[in-house]
Amino acid sequence: EVQLLESGGGLVQPGGSLRLSCAASGFSFSRYAMTWVRQAPGKGLEWVSTISDGGGRTFYADSVKGRFTISRDNSKSTLFLQMNSLRGEDTAVYYCAKEALREQELAYFDFWGQGTLVSVSS
Amino acid sequence: DIQMTQSPSSLSASVGDRVTINCRASQSISSHLNWYQQKPGKAPKLLIYAASSLQSGVPLRFSGSGSGTDFTLTISSLQPEDFATYYCQQSYTTPPLTFGGGTKVEIK
Repeated sequence: EVQLLESGGGLVQPGGSLRLSCAASGFSFSRYAMTWVRQAPGKGLEWVSTISDGGGRTFYADSVKGRFTISRDNSKSTLFLQMNSLRGEDTAVYYCAKEALREQELAYFDFWGQGTLVSVSS
Repeated sequence: DIQMTQSPSSLSASVGDRVTINCRASQSISSHLNWYQQKPGKAPKLLIYAASSLQSGVPLRFSGSGSGTDFTLTISSLQPEDFATYYCQQSYTTPPLTFGGGTKVEIK
């Protein structure tokens, strides 16, 4: 059974940092690209960042470029999102999602984690 | 960037109704269109990929159609568990990967 379990969310002041983790199990983690998608309270879905299966290619939304860094540890089947210089508009539930197809990026997602809430406020 | 516009933003329907949700892309995306269902407090769930392919385990009452710029998600007979918000997502020109604004299906 595929499982994705996010952690690391919480309350942080503007300008602060957080590191999100997504622990994966039930599939060959190293064979799939992984993505972070966020959802602000009461709003729709927003793609944040994607990393290729091997980690050599990364992609970012303009809204987070230069502030967020996606990475992965395939030996531990874990995805990360380092978030720096956080702003109020980054407040959202952050979901990690598994790419549905091997060796594909930015296509569609067949499994999602339950999400972790990041609140940016003073 | 490709913009995705869903209509309506919300609708009220009864159990057993046929429901249609529309999604329009700002430029042609061929058939690179996917649909998700999201219930309150839960993660999105993949329903349809490549415009019309039903994801494994998804009930047959869900179907998708369209190509180019106009797409439709149809629920042939609405069930109580189908009350949720539905999102379309394009994967033709990425990054960025973009979602529609969502359509909330409520009980009439």
